[in-house]
Amino acid sequence: AQTVTQSQPEMSVQEAETVTLSCTYDTSESDYYLFWYKQPPSRQMILVIRQEAYKQQNATENRFSVNFQKAAKSFSLKISDSQLGDAAMYFCAYRSADDKIIFGKGTRLHILP
Amino acid sequence: DTGVSQDPRHKITKRGQNVTFRCDPISEHNRLYWYRQTLGQGPEFLTYFQNEAQLEKSRLLSDRFSAERPKGSFSTLEIQRTEQGDSAMYLCASSQRQSGEKLFFGSGTQLSVL
Repeated sequence: AQTVTQSQPEMSVQEAETVTLSCTYDTSESDYYLFWYKQPPSRQMILVIRQEAYKQQNATENRFSVNFQKAAKSFSLKISDSQLGDAAMYFCAYRSADDKIIFGKGTRLHILP
Repeated sequence: DTGVSQDPRHKITKRGQNVTFRCDPISEHNRLYWYRQTLGQGPEFLTYFQNEAQLEKSRLLSDRFSAERPKGSFSTLEIQRTEQGDSAMYLCASSQRQSGEKLFFGSGTQLSVL
């Protein structure tokens, strides 16, 4: 069975600085998708970024980028120029070939003004 | 596209009572997912559907939990003989059955078992 591990329960970063959130996963599949979701205090889940496992190129969405290391089964999220609105819970998620989607336990990100 | 809607938003019940939640996915979405989330934790997978077919139910899920999607549109999640440990946010999400499609989440149903 697939598992997703986020080893950082909480992180803090100064406004305008860069922060990296870690995620590792375990799978025997070769074809899958990885996601980072953001959950602000309103608790509405928002997709941040998506990565296809067959693509070597790391996904980028404006200030958000990933470092995808398939062999190491690592999928970290980098947030550049952190803003106060980035404060939230961040969840790493794995989507298997049969479309089952599982989440990590999350990292709470604090932005320090 | 009105998004994923869940009803009710909040439910308070006494231990031992049965509760039922409803989820209306985005109309063209054929995948529907149920998750349970406690404060400060990640969404825990409960079950998911392809149209009306239930594809998988979490092995961690008690037999007191059952979900249906009878016509491949809305879904219901029932919890029988509720326990205090069932208190959580129950999230519904839907997506297209296309590889790698993201989930669209509802606002959730917050269950409190007294």
